[in-house]
Amino acid sequence: GQQLNQSPQSMFIQEGEDVSMNCTSSSIFNTWLWYKQDPGEGPVLLIALYKAGELTSNGRLTAQFGITRKDSFLNISASIPSDVGIYFCAGHTGGGNKLTFGTGTQLKVEL
Amino acid sequence: NAGVTQTPKFQVLKTGQSMTLQCAQDMNHNSMYWYRQDPGMGLRLIYYSASEGTTDKGEVPNGYNVSRLNKREFSLRLESAAPSQTSVYFCASRYIVGAGAPSSYNEQFFGPGTRLTVL
Repeated sequence: GQQLNQSPQSMFIQEGEDVSMNCTSSSIFNTWLWYKQDPGEGPVLLIALYKAGELTSNGRLTAQFGITRKDSFLNISASIPSDVGIYFCAGHTGGGNKLTFGTGTQLKVEL
Repeated sequence: NAGVTQTPKFQVLKTGQSMTLQCAQDMNHNSMYWYRQDPGMGLRLIYYSASEGTTDKGEVPNGYNVSRLNKREFSLRLESAAPSQTSVYFCASRYIVGAGAPSSYNEQFFGPGTRLTVL
């Protein structure tokens, strides 16, 4: 099945640094979603994007829906230890029932 | 609201045994989903139910069956467990499907997962 290309696969950063990750697809999406998964837990929705070009923030998180509708990025500013986890992008084509998920970016924060 | 709940949280089976994973949501969502998550593979859709009374195959349905018991509950059954089914299973739900629905209805909400080991 189709999956989104998410990069980087993993990141190891210092506390206080900014983080950037992105997701690309060969298909156009109508909705982009960003989830975070803590160890041993289910994914939790962080940000949802509904329009091409849209830029949305949630605290220290900012995500953008690419103009081409084939990509999205997520930025985390001033990372803290609790940002550790796996971040997933997901896209929806609209009118259908299924999300397509990226393979995840594992974030580790060094104190 | 409890959101999406799953039982059990952990399970160990022997090859050939059967079991049913339970999922319930209290958000009055129409659609429900079952995913499996394996290292390096992300989330893969097993089955979904767009609305009460309907079920459809996802990306990896072989070896599984589902039942949409009512609007709240969606169960996943392994009839004869195999080691390849060792995984973490997540249930998810969302509001509604179909053209014309507000974009916010595309948001899926996940349960805490069931960690299954098949020996």
